[in-house]
Amino acid sequence: DAKTTQPPSMDCAEGRAANLPCNHSTISGNEYVYWYRQIHSQGPQYIIHGLKNNETNEMASLIITEDRKSSTLILPHATLRDTAVYYCIVRVAGGNQGGKLIFGQGTELSVKP
Amino acid sequence: GAVVSQHPSRVICKSGTSVKIECRSLDFQATTMFWYRQFPKQSLMLMATSNEGSKATYEQGVEKDKFLINHASLTLSTLTVTSAHPEDSSFYICSGLLPGNTIYFGEGSWLTVV
Repeated sequence: DAKTTQPPSMDCAEGRAANLPCNHSTISGNEYVYWYRQIHSQGPQYIIHGLKNNETNEMASLIITEDRKSSTLILPHATLRDTAVYYCIVRVAGGNQGGKLIFGQGTELSVKP
Repeated sequence: GAVVSQHPSRVICKSGTSVKIECRSLDFQATTMFWYRQFPKQSLMLMATSNEGSKATYEQGVEKDKFLINHASLTLSTLTVTSAHPEDSSFYICSGLLPGNTIYFGEGSWLTVV
């Protein structure tokens, strides 16, 4: 079973920041937080992941609370092409036998003009 | 990011026949690959974990004799749907694990059984 809770849907205005929350209150010390997104009829796209520090890349920023029980994915300037289902997943990582990704229902983000 | 390629992207087969879907890691060696399927308006469901050179590990409820997985090389895993039925029609997606932390997904393969 997925170990995360996300709102089923969110709207965001084009050009504004999209802040997608995720609760993972039962996360273990060796589990990372991963974010993927899936645009209709395509395979999921990796966005970002982190353990306990905040992370930023060219796509997004990941803010993880100090107790690691929740996190927020931030798309700083959402565009219409960011409309997708966003999945927050916790996973044990490391080595060649890293853990599997178990998908929940995700958040359907709609970016509107 | 790393590239995972699936082939075919779409396939139609007749009931009772078998169909093979290939998953290739193009720019990295994937000792571990994962196979998922996704029905319309649903999330991805993990079917099995495929490790190079060994038998796949299937998730509960997935028939290993129906969904044959072979991972004979570090860059290729195959999923064969045997004795296909219309209810096997779905979107099948593979992913490859980079040594370390990240998993990258293929584009997916649409299977329609008629």
